[in-house]
Parts: sequence; structure tokens; C-alpha cells
Amino acid sequence: SAVISQKPSRDICQRGTSLTIQCQVDSQVTMMFWYRQQPGQSLTLIATANQGSEATYESGFVIDKFPISRPNLTFSTLTVSNMSPEDSSIYLCSVILGTVNTGELFFGEGSRLTVL
Amino acid sequence: SQKIEQNSEALNIQEGKTATLTCNYTNYSPAYLQWYRQDPGRGPVFLLLIRENEKEKRKERLKVTFDTTLKQSLFHITASQPADSATYLCALVRHGSGNTGKLIFGQGTTLQVKP
Repeated sequence: SAVISQKPSRDICQRGTSLTIQCQVDSQVTMMFWYRQQPGQSLTLIATANQGSEATYESGFVIDKFPISRPNLTFSTLTVSNMSPEDSSIYLCSVILGTVNTGELFFGEGSRLTVL
Repeated sequence: SQKIEQNSEALNIQEGKTATLTCNYTNYSPAYLQWYRQDPGRGPVFLLLIRENEKEKRKERLKVTFDTTLKQSLFHITASQPADSATYLCALVRHGSGNTGKLIFGQGTTLQVKP
């Protein structure tokens, strides 16, 4: 298994500001992902965080709004830029361990953002 | 359109009974399907994975079935306990190595087990 730490765990932000969420894993991982869970909704994949290269974004998500960094195999950040109330969500970091694809995803506890 | 649907109404059952949760999907061809548990304020926790060529998977009190003809998965918890109360999410992964880790989630069903 993996221990995934996210910071901040929650925050209240003003419209128009940006916030960076950090994800730290206690072991090197091959794949990292960022998901969003809007209130009362299912989880939606934002992007795959690629180590040493640009993230791969899913349809409906763009780099200017959600810039992602992954400088090494244990750490990634997601920035939510120019926030609006519609960005109020839980943002979750998740990882796949090892090189054998068992399909299991490990999730962090999430970062709950409220935008006023 | 592509959809993955779970019963949005909460499921209330008595302790000791079997809980059965349903996950239906349309216009997907999943390589495999997973079930996760999510407690309030926590991230999802992996429970079981079942592949398209498997009919049934078991783990302790949990059982998952997968019917690709009906496009449905059933998740069973036998001898349910109040500690099983949580939201259960189903998620599928489409074929293709590029889709590894890219889960498509249902909205989840909340289970409440009463003592």
C-alpha cells in the first residue's frame, strides 16, 4: 500500500485567487492522477501527472486552469487558477504502485476547497 | 451517451442481512470494473476488481459479479455490520494501456446498516 499526504486538507478561498495543492507519496510510484469530486457528484479525472514532462489532461480540463507539476516520483502539485465558486470541490491525488498493473488506485484524503 | 449509474437513493438494511448494490453502464466496453468504499471526508479505498472475462469475485464478506451482456455489476456484502455503512463507488476502466488508472466513476450509493 501507499501513504498519500495532501496539503492543504481544506481551504476557503476568494474568487479570482489561485491555490496550489500538494501530494506527497511515501514511496516512488509509476503513475499519479488528479481527480475532482464536486458536491454530490462522482469523481472525475482531471489529468495524469507525468514525471518530468507535461501533464496529460482529460477532456474539459486545460493546463491554464489546472497547471500540474511532477518533479519526481513521489511528489506532485495541482494548482487551481483564477478560482470561481464552481471550483468548490474536493481534489484528490491518486497513484498506482509498482510496474505491474493490478488496477488498484490509492487515493489521498483529498483537499476540500470552498471558493467564495 | 456514455453513462455509469448507481442507485442514488440510500440503501438502508438491518445488521446481519445481505446488502446488494447495483452498477449499470451504457455505451462502454470496460476492460475491468472496480468497487471502492468512501467514508465521509476521506478518499476512496479500493475493495475489489473484476475483469471482463470473470463472472464473480469474492473477498471475505464481499462478492462482486459482472455481467457484460446486461452491462451490470452487483456488489454484495453478506452478514452486514454497522461498520459497513459508507458510500460505495463503482468505477470502470476502458480497454487500452493508455487508460490505466483512468477510472470512470458512478455517483455512488450510500449504505446504512442499522444495528
